[in-house]
Amino acid sequence: GAGVSQTPSNKVTEKGKYVELRCDPISGHTALYWYRQSLGQGPEFLIYFQGTGAADDSGLPNDRFFAVRPEGSVSTLKIQRTERGDSAVYLCASSADRWNTEAFFGQGTRLTVV
Amino acid sequence: SQQGEEDPQALSIQEGENATMNCSYKTSINNLQWYRQNSGRGLVHLILIRSNEREKHSGRLRVTLDTSKKSSSLLITASRAADTASYFCATDYRGANSKLTFGKGITLSVRP
Repeated sequence: GAGVSQTPSNKVTEKGKYVELRCDPISGHTALYWYRQSLGQGPEFLIYFQGTGAADDSGLPNDRFFAVRPEGSVSTLKIQRTERGDSAVYLCASSADRWNTEAFFGQGTRLTVV
Repeated sequence: SQQGEEDPQALSIQEGENATMNCSYKTSINNLQWYRQNSGRGLVHLILIRSNEREKHSGRLRVTLDTSKKSSSLLITASRAADTASYFCATDYRGANSKLTFGKGITLSVRP
């Protein structure tokens, strides 16, 4: 595609439910990143994929968060037993390689846990 | 934790004036990048400057990097109302697991 696509753009869920957020990176980009951004803050790193494997998942806050990228393109961020504190904008970015190249961000998914 | 720290936190200027935003960081970096964000959604990449570079230009944007002071500045010349946005610096620091770390951002308001 022309850019990084994230779906849904908005998601409202009840506390305790499971959610999946999807990221479709730019075709051919091997590096994919998930960030989370709360109001008034900068993006907070969650996980980084190089190809199919998670090269760095040190930013995932706890074991309720998990992400996959099974074929090295589309990625899904999965959140189990959602909590109100999980409410944020979840941003995905991709780049042709690791961070010495420009990263392209999607428009984000705004997750609201009620 | 956020490595890059921008200042000021908020900046309000008149259209046509120059805007200068600063970023400081703590540890050695591979590169530093500046991003712009409108309305709290997707970030747009502005400039990447590598650790061995001191200055880069892109249109009305000028970025400098001083690795001895661990700081960078972003200058927007002849600002326009459309430049109103949040600006973030992000550092790719040297380490076993390189990842882009963002600061809290600067809110720039350009008054028409």
